[in-house]
Formats: sequence, C-alpha cells, structure tokens
Amino acid sequence: DAGVTQSPTHLIKTRGQQVTLRCSPISGHKSVSWYQQVLGQGPQFIFQYYEKEERGRGNFPDRFSARQFPNYSSELNVNALLLGDSALYLCASSPDSGGYGYTFGSGTRLTVV
Amino acid sequence: KQEVTQIPAALSVPEGENLVLNCSFTDSAIYNLQWFRQDPGKGLTSLLLIQSSQREQTSGRLNASLDKSSGRSTLYIAASQPGDSATYLCAVSAMDSSYKLIFGSGTRLLVRP
Repeated sequence: DAGVTQSPTHLIKTRGQQVTLRCSPISGHKSVSWYQQVLGQGPQFIFQYYEKEERGRGNFPDRFSARQFPNYSSELNVNALLLGDSALYLCASSPDSGGYGYTFGSGTRLTVV
Repeated sequence: KQEVTQIPAALSVPEGENLVLNCSFTDSAIYNLQWFRQDPGKGLTSLLLIQSSQREQTSGRLNASLDKSSGRSTLYIAASQPGDSATYLCAVSAMDSSYKLIFGSGTRLLVRP
C-alpha cells in the first residue's frame, strides 16, 4: 500500500503570492491533518479534516485554509505569503478523528522569498 | 495551555551506549503520548504510542514509559547504533481534543561509530 503522498516536495514562492499544497491519505483513512514545522522546532497543528468536515483548527491566521475532497484527499491553501510561512508542511492521515494511528507524509518544503 | 518540553535538545553518544530521552508536559489530562522519529528533511515515523491508562510500551530496542502524575515520559534506547541518529519528537494529545498532537521541539541524537 502507498503511504501518505504529498505534492509538491519543494516549492519556492514570492511574498504576497498564494500556494496550494496537496495530500493523498492512506487508502481507507478518512482523516487528514496538516502541521507546520519551522526549522528547529516541533510540528504545529494547523487543521484536521474528517469525513470532509473541519474538526479542529490550530492558532493560525485566516490566510490558512484547507478542504477535504470526497476521495479524502486534501489541499492546504495559504494566501498572502509571508517570509515566516517558510517551513516544512506535513500531512498526516489516520483511520478516524481520534488521536492515534497517524501516518505522516514526507512533507512539502515551502520557501518564501 | 499544554506545553511539551524535551531535554536535552541534542545528544551525542558512542555506538553501543544505552540512552534516555526525556519529555515533560504541563497538563496531565492527556489522551495519549507518542514518540516519533524524524530524519533530516523528512516526515515523521511513529515509534511508540502509550495510552493514558498505560505505563509503558516496548518495541525492539525501544522502551517508552509514561508517568501522568508527574507529567513525564522517557524513551529508552538500548545498544544504540549509528542508524539511530535522527531527531526524536514527543507528542501528546489532550482528552478534549484528541485529534490534535502537541509536539515538543525534539532531541537531536547523533550516535558515533
């Protein structure tokens, strides 16, 4: 079985631009979570989606948004990019909305210049 | 507000040594605690998960313990190998928001041949 797939793997954007990151969960997993990991720190929770509904949101500005599709894949959108948005964005899938069974993808490295 | 702290931030040991990584959390009302491994620039690999009702979990050379009352967990690695070199992250989820993992900043481990 394929693991959690994230695309693209690397991305360079200019301040003020918009970016869309994509995640495909493990087959059968209905929950997708997004995390931001700044260099040298632990991941910070951004969103969780379960059965296409937002189940939780972390302390991030409204410039961050996400959605989940009927096939359970997900997109994370970030508008009006700031230099501080440069980070590794991790997607994790799990069978349900509980706090276990997470499988993380390899992440998308976003650099804002 | 739950906070997770990991000590030490970095550790360098010779091959074959047994070692202990520490994790502390401020709110004992946790749903579970997980230990992850992260190789440079990569995603997270789940190592061990301890439910709030459990005291320890073992997998191969790894043993994790949980003491909720003191807000502490330890990850014991026996007979360390160069392949164990990575960053080890501790994460907790709360009883009232089990979908959200709160991470520490990690311990960067180097095992010297």
